Amino acid sequence: NAGVMQNPRHLVRRRGQEARLRCSPMKGHSHVYWYRQLPEEGLKFMVYLQKENIIDESGMPKERFSAEFPKEGPNILRIQQVVRGDSAAYFCASSPGLLEQYFGPGTRLTVT
Amino acid sequence: EDQVTQSPEALRLQEGESSSLNCSYTVSGLRGLFWYRQDPGKGPEFLFTLYSAGEEKEKERLKATLTKKESFLHITAPKPEDSATYLCAVDGGAQKLVFGQGTRLTINP
Repeated sequence: NAGVMQNPRHLVRRRGQEARLRCSPMKGHSHVYWYRQLPEEGLKFMVYLQKENIIDESGMPKERFSAEFPKEGPNILRIQQVVRGDSAAYFCASSPGLLEQYFGPGTRLTVT
Repeated sequence: EDQVTQSPEALRLQEGESSSLNCSYTVSGLRGLFWYRQDPGKGPEFLFTLYSAGEEKEKERLKATLTKKESFLHITAPKPEDSATYLCAVDGGAQKLVFGQGTRLTINP
């Protein structure tokens, strides 16, 4: 059973561009979470999705960030008009239910 | 607001020297406390889930314990490959994990 997959692993964007981060949860997992790890900071919750529905987006910045859980294809974390402060590692996690979360390898976003 | 504090921030041990990492938490209703291991440039790797005070879990050289206010990760006779950052997180019932800052563990051969 493959683990959580994320791509790209590294992404470089110029200020003002869009970043699209993709996540494929583990097989059989319908709960998906996104976390952000800023340099020298801990992991912070961003958004929780279940079966195409956003359950909790309390950790998501109000502007420029959006999460998508399409019926087919990977989950997407979309960041529009990126700024230098968006530079961070973004981790996707999945779980089969109300249980422990399994994390992917992360996407390291650098905004120049 | 749920909070997690880990100590120490960094710990350097000699191979074979046992020690413990601390995770203090404040949560209105604990649904689970989780320990993860994170290697540089990688995602957190799940280690343990603890649900109630008094519970203990073991895996190789690691043992996690839980009280009503804190959790300990005991490492017995560590090896250099145990070097990593160990993360503690709580789920207060909202399905979102609140993480501590982590303890950076280095085991010298």
